[in-house]
Amino acid sequence: QVQLVQSGAEVKMPGSAVKVSCKASGGTFNSYTISWVRQAPGQGLEWMGGIIPIFGTSNYAQKFQGRVSITTDESTTTAYMELSSLRSEDTAVYYCAIVYGGNWEFDYWGQGTLVTVSS
Amino acid sequence: QSALTQPASVSGSPGQSITISCTGTSSDVGGYNYVSWYQQHPGTAPKLMIYEVSNRPSGVSNRFSGSKSGNTASLTISGLQPEDEADYYCSSYRSSSTLVVFGGGTKLTVL
Repeated sequence: QVQLVQSGAEVKMPGSAVKVSCKASGGTFNSYTISWVRQAPGQGLEWMGGIIPIFGTSNYAQKFQGRVSITTDESTTTAYMELSSLRSEDTAVYYCAIVYGGNWEFDYWGQGTLVTVSS
Repeated sequence: QSALTQPASVSGSPGQSITISCTGTSSDVGGYNYVSWYQQHPGTAPKLMIYEVSNRPSGVSNRFSGSKSGNTASLTISGLQPEDEADYYCSSYRSSSTLVVFGGGTKLTVL
């Protein structure tokens, strides 16, 4: 059983950056594929990117390339998602989610972190 | 506009069966057996219900089943129960820089 606990809600100014954390417990951290998925208010789910061990690097959705960075700290079993040049359309709940032992399905999800971008 | 196409809403009465479709392309749904379905109740994180087209994770009711034909995947819920009322999202692996794509979501109402 894996648990993912995310950092708390953030309010950010347009043009700034936000960094959201996701601490994992249970399982073997290095065997995870960790992704970030966001959900704007009243909207659907959107994959932003993830760290995929078989590729050895982070992969990002085309929409977010150049603006998002996903990293991990093995010593604290924590994943991070940093999104820069924030605009109002980035207001959303951001989820970390992991593929654990499978392929492209997200078995475990964090509780979500609301990021509000407003002046 | 979402990468995968789902109906915005479906409804059914308790005990009935419903099916939600998810249409993609040969680069995602049609090309790989990596279609998943998620259930999301308001204010909560999504929950995996089906993976690899038709497999159920441990603990998911066998009232939930998945299938695929060509570029369209389907989620069927039989014996509808009030607690099934939720939003449902499909997702698929895609052979592009955007490795995972989601449908726009379907709101299931149990009448």
